Amino acid sequence: DQQVKQNSPSLSVQEGRISILNCDYTNSMFDYFLWYKKYPAEGPTFLISISSIKDKNEDGRFTVFLNKSAKHLSLHIVPSQPGDSAVYFCAASATVGGSNYKLTFGKGTLLTVNP
Amino acid sequence: GAVVSQHPSRVICKSGTSVKIECRSLDFQATTMFWYRQFPKKSLMLMATSNEGSKATYEQGVEKDKFLINHASLTLSTLTVTSAHPEDSSFYICSAKQGAGGYTFGSGTRLTVV
Repeated sequence: DQQVKQNSPSLSVQEGRISILNCDYTNSMFDYFLWYKKYPAEGPTFLISISSIKDKNEDGRFTVFLNKSAKHLSLHIVPSQPGDSAVYFCAASATVGGSNYKLTFGKGTLLTVNP
Repeated sequence: GAVVSQHPSRVICKSGTSVKIECRSLDFQATTMFWYRQFPKKSLMLMATSNEGSKATYEQGVEKDKFLINHASLTLSTLTVTSAHPEDSSFYICSAKQGAGGYTFGSGTRLTVV
């Protein structure tokens, strides 16, 4: 049972346009969500996160939106740049004993930004 | 920012041998470390969670006798793949967590068993 789903394995956008990466989850206990960027043969690097008490968090070109009722979140990148081309993983965690615990990852979406 | 160093980045070993992968938090004390495995075109699969000084908690389906995890100090965790087989070939990634802080990932280890 996949608790975090990224249904689009790939996405291709033009440089300068908006990239929208989607993620759905099934576990209602998840209360903290993160997006990671990963290049081949490297570990993931943290991009942005959002707590379930918020519905939006913005950091520069990256904005994450959370719709709790739909159990859906999305990452918006605007404007997209060729250097953004990578695999993006959505991850979620639940607070256990007062602290966030293990992360559950989606399968990732390969973003390609074309010049 | 927090840095996690993972070594080696790439290792090739013969079937039946054991391989040790190290994960070090360089500038913080990691109360919890996680080990992941990534299969091609698949998500990062959590293998086990380790807290310093205690036994690791393994995810369902992960053989604890095959994937030995030691978290001897607040800055070092090791994963030993024992009696490696070609099907153990994969990309292994560690992650360290500092208290209520975020997760920092290592750069990963590409293991190839021949």
